[in-house]
Amino acid sequence: DGGITQSPKYLFRKEGQNVTLSCEQNLNHDAMYWYRQDPGQGLRLIYYSQIVNDFQKGDIAEGYSVSREKKESFPLTVTSAQKNPTAFYLCASSLRGAYGYTFGSGTRLTVV
Amino acid sequence: GQQVMQIPQYQHVQEGEDFTTYCNSSTTLSNIQWYKQRPGGHPVFLIQLVKSGEVKKQKRLTFQFGEAKKNSSLHITATQTTDVGTYFCAGHGGATNKLIFGTGTLLAVQP
Repeated sequence: DGGITQSPKYLFRKEGQNVTLSCEQNLNHDAMYWYRQDPGQGLRLIYYSQIVNDFQKGDIAEGYSVSREKKESFPLTVTSAQKNPTAFYLCASSLRGAYGYTFGSGTRLTVV
Repeated sequence: GQQVMQIPQYQHVQEGEDFTTYCNSSTTLSNIQWYKQRPGGHPVFLIQLVKSGEVKKQKRLTFQFGEAKKNSSLHITATQTTDVGTYFCAGHGGATNKLIFGTGTLLAVQP
């Protein structure tokens, strides 16, 4: 079955550490996205990529970095520069920008 | 910047009652999408509307896209406990044509 796999499901990080969240899709989708969701809040766009080796900043890109070396993979690094990284991180993909998004099951990141 | 607001933020209904959530954009949208997120889960795509004034139905769910393509609504007839979750609208619009998510409406259904 096709889908998006995010790992790990839960992640604990010490302050000052960088962590990388994995996102892999086998849907052959061109576009991939990273969103952040805080408790009781909506989704805020961090980064998105519409094609391999190209990506754009979303609304809250500061303190985050991404890469898109393969069509299937879009990892997100949460750097120590991100002041409030504790959140639920969701990866999504779509066939092209104007189609419905398929979301992964998310990674809950907690800074301890 | 472009904003998409939803009302109400929260709705508590008795099972069997109807429910409606409204979505309003500050700019004209090229399309509107609706997603459902169960508690502790991830958003799941429900539907996309593209045409002005379009109405689509999925069983007990009715989706509308406004004539001006700046607002939308989701109506659930005779709610069930399985309808519990947060409903998000999302629209493409503006110069970048990014998908902007609404603020969401949390629906609680009491059996």
